[in-house]
Amino acid sequence: EAGVTQFPSHSVIEKGQTVTLRCDPISGHDNLYWYRRVMGKEIKFLLHFVKESKQDESGMPNNRFLAERTGGTYSTLKVQPAELEDSGVYFCASSQGRGRVEQFFGPGTRLTVL
Amino acid sequence: GQNIDQPTEMTATEGAIVQINCTYQTSGFNGLFWYQQHAGEAPTFLSYNVLDGLEEKGRFSSFLSRSKGYSYLLLKELQMKDSASYLCAVRDRNSGGYQKVTFGTGTKLQVIP
Repeated sequence: EAGVTQFPSHSVIEKGQTVTLRCDPISGHDNLYWYRRVMGKEIKFLLHFVKESKQDESGMPNNRFLAERTGGTYSTLKVQPAELEDSGVYFCASSQGRGRVEQFFGPGTRLTVL
Repeated sequence: GQNIDQPTEMTATEGAIVQINCTYQTSGFNGLFWYQQHAGEAPTFLSYNVLDGLEEKGRFSSFLSRSKGYSYLLLKELQMKDSASYLCAVRDRNSGGYQKVTFGTGTKLQVIP
């Protein structure tokens, strides 16, 4: 069974540019989460999808961040325009739901904003 | 809000036992995870405790006391490959009524020969 995949693995952009990160969860997992880890800090929750619906987006830092999960399969996280403080590792995770709570993480996308 | 505390770093000897503690303060507690994360890789699920007591899974065990807001991860027969960061994460229901997982900063374990 394929795990959670993320694309790209690394992205280096300039301040003011736009970047779109993609996450493909494990097939059949209804729950999809985005997290971010800024250097030296803990992994922080950004938002949670259940199928195509945003269940909780309380962790999104501001309106420069837009997440979508059309069709309830893969998800994208767009940052527009990117700022220096957006640099970090963006993790995606998925869980099956229906009583199975463990979240399976993808390898992350390392975003560097110059 | 939440407050999760775990030691920043620990060192232990190959073949020994190490205990990594985690304390937390939260309302609406609904479970505690332990994850292992090797440098540059994804966190990997180790354990989930929602009731008090000890859960054993091979060389790894995890303990929870909800009344004390305390958990530990016990690693036995340490191997060099166990050198990694160990993340304590608490699942609770936030003010919006949603289940949410909050991570600690992680404990970096170094296993030495």
